[in-house]
Amino acid sequence: KQEVTQIPAALSVPEGENLVLNCSFTDSAIYNLQWFRQDPGKGLTSLLLIQSSQREQTSGRLNASLDKSSGRSTLYIAASQPGDSATYLCAVRGSWGKLQFGAGTQVVVTP
Amino acid sequence: KAGVTQTPRYLIKTRGQQVTLSCSPISGHRSVSWYQQTPGQGLQFLFEYFSETQRNKGNFPGRFSGRQFSNSRSEMNVSTLELGDSALYLCASSLSDTEAFFGQGTRLTVV
Repeated sequence: KQEVTQIPAALSVPEGENLVLNCSFTDSAIYNLQWFRQDPGKGLTSLLLIQSSQREQTSGRLNASLDKSSGRSTLYIAASQPGDSATYLCAVRGSWGKLQFGAGTQVVVTP
Repeated sequence: KAGVTQTPRYLIKTRGQQVTLSCSPISGHRSVSWYQQTPGQGLQFLFEYFSETQRNKGNFPGRFSGRQFSNSRSEMNVSTLELGDSALYLCASSLSDTEAFFGQGTRLTVV
């Protein structure tokens, strides 16, 4: 059974610092891994998708890596801003249609 | 292009009633999946439909059911509502097992 863990559960950094969010999963047989952002009471916004054959994906200040053999992914957010405050979720796609989510990392960026 | 649309955004129901939630996916997307989000359990997979067929189902009681129409729109039904069904219900659409895009969710409160 796939289990997804995100560490830390919460993180507070001053504006301008780089953010490093971790995601680990127990079953390496995945199709892809996706990072999402969720603001309070809202839906999920897709940030990055990494296919199982890829090692890295970048979009603007965001960079995500994937090490399938060790069951790990890391999301880097460069030069954090107060607007980056949100909960960040990783999800792995295994069997058809199913995304298995971690519990999320709640991020606060202070001005 | 239009995103994933969920209706209604908010619902208040009484225990024992039933409820139907609707999800319109992104145009061209044939996969629609549903998730329940609660503070205690996080995001949990309910079921996934692809071209009107249920491909996968999570560990929820039979009170939770769904369907998908020929235009890919999907509905989720919960019968005999319980207080524990209070949650944010999220719908996601994708082309197949690719990047998932989520709607804003339906906040269901059972009183």
